[in-house]
Amino acid sequence: QVQLVQSGAEVKKPGASVKVSCKASGYTLTNYGTSWVRQAPGQGLEWMGWISAFNDNTNYARKLQGRVSMTKDTSTNIAHMELRSLRSDDTAIYYCARGRRGSSGDWYFDLWGRGTLVTVSS
Amino acid sequence: SYVLTQPPSVSVAPGQTARITCGGHNIGSKRVHWYQQKPGQAPVLVVYDDSDRPSGIPERFSASTSANTATLTINRVEAGDEADYYCQVWDSDGDPWVFGGGTNLTVL
Repeated sequence: QVQLVQSGAEVKKPGASVKVSCKASGYTLTNYGTSWVRQAPGQGLEWMGWISAFNDNTNYARKLQGRVSMTKDTSTNIAHMELRSLRSDDTAIYYCARGRRGSSGDWYFDLWGRGTLVTVSS
Repeated sequence: SYVLTQPPSVSVAPGQTARITCGGHNIGSKRVHWYQQKPGQAPVLVVYDDSDRPSGIPERFSASTSANTATLTINRVEAGDEADYYCQVWDSDGDPWVFGGGTNLTVL
């Protein structure tokens, strides 16, 4: 079954780091790139970054550069997203999503994980 | 960076047609993708490449794009269509994946 299974909810204090994992099943991360998208409570979707399928190249959202890292472990088929120096406004559901290339060379997401709630609170 | 503008909410009676718009500068030159997100669930792709549907998405869902506006149309709306809907484009300048702010569809 093709799916993305994410790690469980986390509670962190301000200034700490969090690492969320996303295990791909039914396909390999070396065939499809992976993005992370977050959603603050009651808010819309915010793209965080992307890790390429082929060469581990990454592309991070400008507002998160310097605080976020995305990696993948091809031996376990798991992608990871680490966010550092957490603040209260990082409280959100974090989704991993599989990238798919469209007919015109652009990209969209055809498969999503169920999300991981990260709560930042003192 | 590229901006997509959606109305915060749309309401429609069961059986009627819902139209959700997504505005962006020269959006007609881009491919627009649409996602449905029901409460407490992850987003689901309902339309890609302006007007194509993934397998399993009903034909009631369709989409079109003009110069500065993309529109998701849901025919014969059902109670189960109540959700937030997001448009998305890929932009080669700035942050590549851009989402609209989302539209909450209420079925009266």
